[in-house]
Amino acid sequence: EDQVTQSPEALRLQEGESSSLNCSYTVSGLRGLFWYRQDPGKGPEFLFTLYSAGEEKEKERLKATLTKKESFLHITAPKPEDSATYLCAVQARGGSEKLVFGKGMKLTVNP
Amino acid sequence: EPEVTQTPSHQVTQMGQEVILRCVPISNHLYFYWYRQILGQKVEFLVSFYNNEISEKSEIFDDQFSVERPDGSNFTLKIRSTKLEDSAMYFCASSERVWGSYNSPLHFGNGTRLTVT
Repeated sequence: EDQVTQSPEALRLQEGESSSLNCSYTVSGLRGLFWYRQDPGKGPEFLFTLYSAGEEKEKERLKATLTKKESFLHITAPKPEDSATYLCAVQARGGSEKLVFGKGMKLTVNP
Repeated sequence: EPEVTQTPSHQVTQMGQEVILRCVPISNHLYFYWYRQILGQKVEFLVSFYNNEISEKSEIFDDQFSVERPDGSNFTLKIRSTKLEDSAMYFCASSERVWGSYNSPLHFGNGTRLTVT
């Protein structure tokens, strides 16, 4: 069964304090790994797709990386507006279209 | 930027009643999905829909659930006889296409919070 585990479950940072979020996955052949941001009361907002080990994507203060077993979301010099829950999801090869999500990581950035 | 819109934002219903959750996907998208998130739990896949038929469904999507694209813009999820455990946030999503090794990302709406009493 495909599984996604995110750690830590919650993280508090001071503004400007860089850190990384981890997403470990078990999947029967990775088709894609997705990072989403979710604000309270809102739907997941797409950030990145990663397809193969070694791939990296960047957007503003966020950088996502991928290995064969995990993905990291690096946050450089975060700002309070980066506070949100960050979701990781995988899609497996073999015809299934569903995304399997992790439980998410709640990030709070204090000014 | 185009977005997925869902109505209502909050629906309260009594156990055993039927509810219809509505979604307007992004206009050029071809694939449509429903996911749900029970409070404090993971976002879970319910069903995917393409070319006017269900392409995949999860174990959660039993006979009490149905989906429909009644016209060119709306996509609905019907729960025939709601149970307490159906209380959750229901998200509609759409994507342009899924082909080869390239995936168009899913774009989610802001959800309908369903409360069954």
